[in-house]
Amino acid sequence: AQSVTQLDSHVSVSEGTPVLLRCNYSSSYSPSLFWYVQHPNKGLQLLLKYTSAATLVKGINGFEAEFKKSETSFHLTKPSAHMSDAAEYFCVVSGVTDSWGKFQFGAGTQVVVTP
Amino acid sequence: NAGVTQTPKFQVLKTGQSMTLQCAQDMNHNSMYWYRQDPGMGLRLIYYSASEGTTDKGEVPNGYNVSRLNKREFSLRLESAAPSQTSVYFCASSRGTGGGGTEAFFGQGTRLTVV
Repeated sequence: AQSVTQLDSHVSVSEGTPVLLRCNYSSSYSPSLFWYVQHPNKGLQLLLKYTSAATLVKGINGFEAEFKKSETSFHLTKPSAHMSDAAEYFCVVSGVTDSWGKFQFGAGTQVVVTP
Repeated sequence: NAGVTQTPKFQVLKTGQSMTLQCAQDMNHNSMYWYRQDPGMGLRLIYYSASEGTTDKGEVPNGYNVSRLNKREFSLRLESAAPSQTSVYFCASSRGTGGGGTEAFFGQGTRLTVV
């Protein structure tokens, strides 16, 4: 079975400072990993995805994530936070076999950006 | 492009009433999903359809039924609504298996309140 743990339920950062959102996963097989963002009262937008081609993945709006198999982690970072980054972020894992086609969500990390 | 379209966007039901949430995608995707989102719990899978003609239970299927009407449409029915089903419901679709980096695309959500 697969699962996702987002290590922080809330993160508060100042505008212009780095953002780090932590995600650990468990999966019996090589997983696919995603980060989605949800702005208030909106749907979910894909930020980036890990497809096993490269361990460092670049996404939209300056976000990137690094896949570390040895640590079973897929942390999301951004060098400089912007006010528009205030949102909820979800780490998602999907795989094959018994978890075929199912996207397993973490509980989410709420990001607050202060001026 | 419309992507994934859900109707209605908002709904208030009385306990015991029934309703159907509609979802349609125009991306020729094989797989479709229904999730519910509750605070602090991320998104949890209710039902999914790997391909036209098939449906399967997810993590929280009790109290719900689904119909994959055709390749485009996947509906979710609440036969007898309960206050515990107050939630935001998201429909999603994906090209195929979650493995290989195939991401899910989400609708804008249906905010359901059961009183």
